Amino acid sequence: KQEVTQIPAALSVPEGENLVLNCSFTDSAIYNLQWFRQDPGKGLTSLLLIQSSQREQTSGRLNASLDKSSGRSTLYIAASQPGDSATYLCAVGGSNYKLTFGKGTLLTVNP
Amino acid sequence: GAGVSQTPSNKVTEKGKYVELRCDPISGHTALYWYRQSLGQGPEFLIYFQGTGAADDSGLPNDRFFAVRPEGSVSTLKIQRTERGDSAVYLCASSLERSFTDTQYFGPGTRLTVL
Repeated sequence: KQEVTQIPAALSVPEGENLVLNCSFTDSAIYNLQWFRQDPGKGLTSLLLIQSSQREQTSGRLNASLDKSSGRSTLYIAASQPGDSATYLCAVGGSNYKLTFGKGTLLTVNP
Repeated sequence: GAGVSQTPSNKVTEKGKYVELRCDPISGHTALYWYRQSLGQGPEFLIYFQGTGAADDSGLPNDRFFAVRPEGSVSTLKIQRTERGDSAVYLCASSLERSFTDTQYFGPGTRLTVL
């Protein structure tokens, strides 16, 4: 059974810092990996999707990497802003198309 | 709107009652997914549909839970004889097709509270 772990569970940084969120998964037989953002009381917003054949994806200040063989992904956020404060969720897609999620990292960016 | 919508946004019910949760996917999306998110946890898969058929219902916790998508668009998640442990946020997502390249787009969720 696939298990997804996210470290740290919570992170607080001053505005402007670069930061890295970590995600690990136990079964490397994945088809894709997605990073989502969740704001309090809201649904999930997809940030980046990496296919299993890809090593990284970039969107603006966000960069996600994938090392399938070691079961790891990182989400790099450059020049963090208070508006980046949210919970960040990592999810892996298996052969049956369903996503298995981690518990998330609660990020607080302080002005 | 162009996104996934879910109704109601909040539902409070008493233990033992029946509830229905509705999901309107993005127009043209053939794949539809239901997830459940408990406090402090990531979403957990319940069921997904490709068109009208339930392609995988392995995440439904027991036979009190049932979902339908009769016309391949709107889906309803039905919970019979609700229990306090059913309290959670129920999330619906849709994607253009059942593909590894397609992003799943999520709705805002329905917060279910069973008293």
